[in-house]
Order: sequence, then C-alpha cells, then structure tokens
Amino acid sequence: QKEVEQNSGPLSVPEGAIASLNCTYSDRGSQSFFWYRQYSGKSPELIMFIYSNGDKEDGRFTAQLNKASQYVSLLIRDSQPSDSATYLCAVFHVAHASGGSYIPTFGRGTSLIVHP
Amino acid sequence: DTGVSQDPRHKITKRGQNVTFRCDPISEHNRLYWYRQTLGQGPEFLTYFQNEAQLEKSRLLSDRFSAERPKGSFSTLEIQRTEQGDSAMYLCASSLKGALGSLAGDDEQFFGPGTRLTVL
Repeated sequence: QKEVEQNSGPLSVPEGAIASLNCTYSDRGSQSFFWYRQYSGKSPELIMFIYSNGDKEDGRFTAQLNKASQYVSLLIRDSQPSDSATYLCAVFHVAHASGGSYIPTFGRGTSLIVHP
Repeated sequence: DTGVSQDPRHKITKRGQNVTFRCDPISEHNRLYWYRQTLGQGPEFLTYFQNEAQLEKSRLLSDRFSAERPKGSFSTLEIQRTEQGDSAMYLCASSLKGALGSLAGDDEQFFGPGTRLTVL
C-alpha cells in the first residue's frame, strides 16, 4: 500500500506570515505531485503540481520537491484568512508492482488556520 | 455550468439497500475517477476510467462496488447491500490526458461537488 503522510494539524499562522505544509511519500517510483486545497464542505481544487526536483513558484505559492528524501512541501507567502482550509497532497504512482496505470494517493490533509 | 456534476447530492438509505450514483464529467475529459472521502481523511481512490475502459480498481474495494462508463461520457457507481461503513462522501473527478504535459500521471483533476451517502 503506497503511503502519503501529512501532519493533520491544525497549523495556525498569523496573517501575512509564511505557512509551510509538508508531505512525505513511500513510493520512490512516484512521478508527479499535486497540492489541492479543500474548504470545509467543498470539493478539492488544484493549487499546484510539480514533477522535477527543486522549487516551483506560482504567485504566493511555492512547491518544493526532493525525490531523494521523498518529500514535497508547499509554502504559502503572505498568508490570508481566506487561505484557511485543508491542504491535500496527492502523489501519482504506478498502480501495481508489475506495472499498470498511474493512480493517485492522497494524504489525509493538513488543516491551516490563518488568523487576523 | 461546464464543471463536473454529480447526482444525487445527498442519499440516505437503509442498510442492505442498493444505491447508484451518477457523475457527468467535463465534456472533453477522457479520464474519470471515483473517490471516497470520510471526515478527516483525504480522498481514497476507488476506480479510474480512460474513455469507456476501466483501467484500475482499488484492491481494497469490496466486490459490492461496481462502476461503469458505458459510452465514455457519464459514469455510474453502484453499491450493493450497503453497510454503515459505506457512509461517506463519494467524489468524482475528471481530467484530460496529457493536459499538463507528457509525463505519466499528468492529471489536473477537476472534482465534482460529491454525493454524501448516509447508511442507517
């Protein structure tokens, strides 16, 4: 069973601070990594994806990937109260040891609270 | 509305009954996923279609669950002989193969609003 681990939180940060969300995964063969945001009672929505080692920036969001350490993170700069949500890490990996399609495994999510 | 739609939004049933959910993906999307999500957990992968072909099904999934996508457009998920442990939010997502590039697993998934199932 492929595992994706996230600290459930909550992570509480003041408005304007940097929020750092972390995710580790078990399958070294994992190819692509996604961060989704899920507001309470709503469906997940994509924030960012990353394939290669290093950093990828999109506005206030930066995704960081380290395949050697099997670690992916999401930084949110200038955090706003509207960023308060659960952040889900999703990792695509081959379905079976013998091959097959790539399928996603989601972590349980980290709850972020940005307080004014 | 051109997003992913799911029907019904809520379903209450008694243990032992069969239920069927429908998902209508974004029209040009060829991939469709079903997930189950319970409180405090991330979405759990159930099954995946590319066009009308069911390519993967979770090994943890009971044989009471079956899904179809007969014409490569909408999909249905049926749960037979429901149990209280089946109570969850059932999410459908669709994506377009290759939309984010050529890397395997390059799926930007768009999720529907979900069907909340309560089994009494």
